[in-house]
Amino acid sequence: AQKVTQAQTEISVVEKEDVTLDCVYETRDTTYYLFWYKQPPSGELVFLIRRNSFDEQNEISGRYSWNFQKSTSSFNFTITASQVVDSAVYFCALIGIQGAQKLVFGQGTRLTINP
Amino acid sequence: EAGVVQSPRYKIIEKKQPVAFWCNPISGHNTLYWYLQNLGQGPELLIRYENEEAVDDSQLPKDRFSAERLKGVDSTLKIQPAELGDSAVYLCASSSEPGGQETQYFGPGTRLLVL
Repeated sequence: AQKVTQAQTEISVVEKEDVTLDCVYETRDTTYYLFWYKQPPSGELVFLIRRNSFDEQNEISGRYSWNFQKSTSSFNFTITASQVVDSAVYFCALIGIQGAQKLVFGQGTRLTINP
Repeated sequence: EAGVVQSPRYKIIEKKQPVAFWCNPISGHNTLYWYLQNLGQGPELLIRYENEEAVDDSQLPKDRFSAERLKGVDSTLKIQPAELGDSAVYLCASSSEPGGQETQYFGPGTRLLVL
């Protein structure tokens, strides 16, 4: 079975602070993909990043960065110099290729950036 | 390029009434998904289509839910009769290739309230 755990239900920080959203996953598949999505109040899930299980390189995109560590089954997301527009619910998700090939989401982390 | 289109955005009905949701995927995307998102939770897959074929409907409550994708493009999800517990957001997503490794792009969702 596949599982994604986002232990932080809610995070609240002041604008310009750095914030890290944690994601821990479980899978028996050797080939899998990890995703992060952002869900603003409008409701649409916005794709942020996809990472396959063979690529452990960290990625940086502007103020966003992702740390993938297979040894700890984690795929954490950091926002640097947070802004009010970053306020949203963030979901980590996993899909295994050998198994059911079903995208499994975590419970989400509600991030609030206060001015 | 237009994203995934869903309608209606909001729907309020009384219990035992039927309701239908419509989705038009990104042009050229052969794989279409319907998800259910309960409040405070991550989306959960209801059904996956490859072209017009439902390849995974194991999570679809078939006693009251039905879906179709007749020409392999747009799709309709129906609930008949609706129950109070069906109040949720229904999300549609599409991807360019089957198999799961391709990124799923989501629509804005239909927020259903059953009274």
